[in-house]
Amino acid sequence: GAVVSQHPSWVICKSGTSVKIECRSLDFQATTMFWYRQFPKQSLMLMATSNEGSKATYEQGVEKDKFLINHASLTLSTLTVTSAHPEDSSFYICSARDPSEGYNEQFFGPGTRLTVL
Amino acid sequence: AQSVSQHNHHVILSEAASLELGCNYSYGGTVNLFWYVQYPGQHLQLLLKYFSGDPLVKGIKGFEAEFIKSKFSFNLRKPSVQWSDTAEYFCALDTGRRALTFGSGTRLQVQP
Repeated sequence: GAVVSQHPSWVICKSGTSVKIECRSLDFQATTMFWYRQFPKQSLMLMATSNEGSKATYEQGVEKDKFLINHASLTLSTLTVTSAHPEDSSFYICSARDPSEGYNEQFFGPGTRLTVL
Repeated sequence: AQSVSQHNHHVILSEAASLELGCNYSYGGTVNLFWYVQYPGQHLQLLLKYFSGDPLVKGIKGFEAEFIKSKFSFNLRKPSVQWSDTAEYFCALDTGRRALTFGSGTRLQVQP
């Protein structure tokens, strides 16, 4: 199956700083990628849909100015958590669909664990 | 809006016991359904999927699931669990908007 990578796998930062997380589709081109957030012992919640060459679509309740998404190429989407606070500590997971698989299956990255001190 | 419910939050079984994890969804149209597994410290892996056709689908590692449209259910089953099946299991729904809606997850603990 298709492979999606994320970098970094974990990051610790101080409150008030910004953190960038990268999501890459390694062997396919993805016009759309998805960003999810998973709090401890909870399920994945969709944050936003990242669209190559256009603005991201954010889910209700997700602050677009805080979670900046840039989908600059067909293989890379970035999520920047601006002015991070401890409540932003979470597991961030991206995913993408492979057009060669008919967009029927979603492939997930390994996730990035963010800890804000 | 669509939703997915997993009523079993934490299941503890002994090895060789049979497993059934419940998944119910709420959506009136055509759906694609998935079960994902997340082993401790690892990323999500697809166990099985249902798009159309035979409502009984078989996945990896001996898992299977049955889509019952009248009950809006997609329960996961395995006849005999192993210690290595200890993980978090997520049911997910795709209604065509391309992102997935996940259930709250079921933590399975298999005791040797």
